[in-house]
Amino acid sequence: ETGVTQTPRHLVMGMTNKKSLKCEQHLGHNAMYWYKQSAKKPLELMFVYNFKEQTENNSVPSRFSPECPNSSHLFLHLHTLQPEDSALYLCASSQEPRTGGGTQYFGPGTRLTVL
Amino acid sequence: DQQVKQNSPSLSVQEGRISILNCDYTNSMFDYFLWYKKYPAEGPTFLISISSIKDKNEDGRFTVFLNKSAKHLSLHIVPSQPGDSAVYFCAASRDRDDKIIFGKGTRLHILP
Repeated sequence: ETGVTQTPRHLVMGMTNKKSLKCEQHLGHNAMYWYKQSAKKPLELMFVYNFKEQTENNSVPSRFSPECPNSSHLFLHLHTLQPEDSALYLCASSQEPRTGGGTQYFGPGTRLTVL
Repeated sequence: DQQVKQNSPSLSVQEGRISILNCDYTNSMFDYFLWYKKYPAEGPTFLISISSIKDKNEDGRFTVFLNKSAKHLSLHIVPSQPGDSAVYFCAASRDRDDKIIFGKGTRLHILP
């Protein structure tokens, strides 16, 4: 049990679909993150939420829309994606960054395929 | 430009021997370094970290060495076990509170 869960684990969608990825952390952390892992590329940070406030948007296209209703839940809303958006999307959480505890704990990821 | 580089995509080591995974970084402002381990179909799991004020940190079979002048760190696993077969990610940040930059990973195969 990693303490960070993600659903769904696998998702196949067409370019005109709208879908959402969900992440939930049970660790009492206050910061949550979305990462993208593409084949043969480093993990890419997409978004950071700290105490429900977005503190980082790493030049992510607007077809990815995050939502953080509370410190335990994080969503990634997807619409009009492209085939090159196919990747593993990982959620992570950590203690509130500015007071230390930079170690991030990851969920299992959602394997997304865009047709 | 990659700030954290893992130049070996894969590594094979005999069970019982020492596994050495290497990582180089370019940003001299990095002062906190981490290693993550990832099994297929799972997210990365934190393994061990080191602050730039140290040059070595040990946790059981895992030891991380940091050479700041060379901007190089390495993860030693001894003795290597079959369960160590995984992808290992090196990561770095400017301080413990900043975003973490990851390398591409090295796939470690432990041979029977």
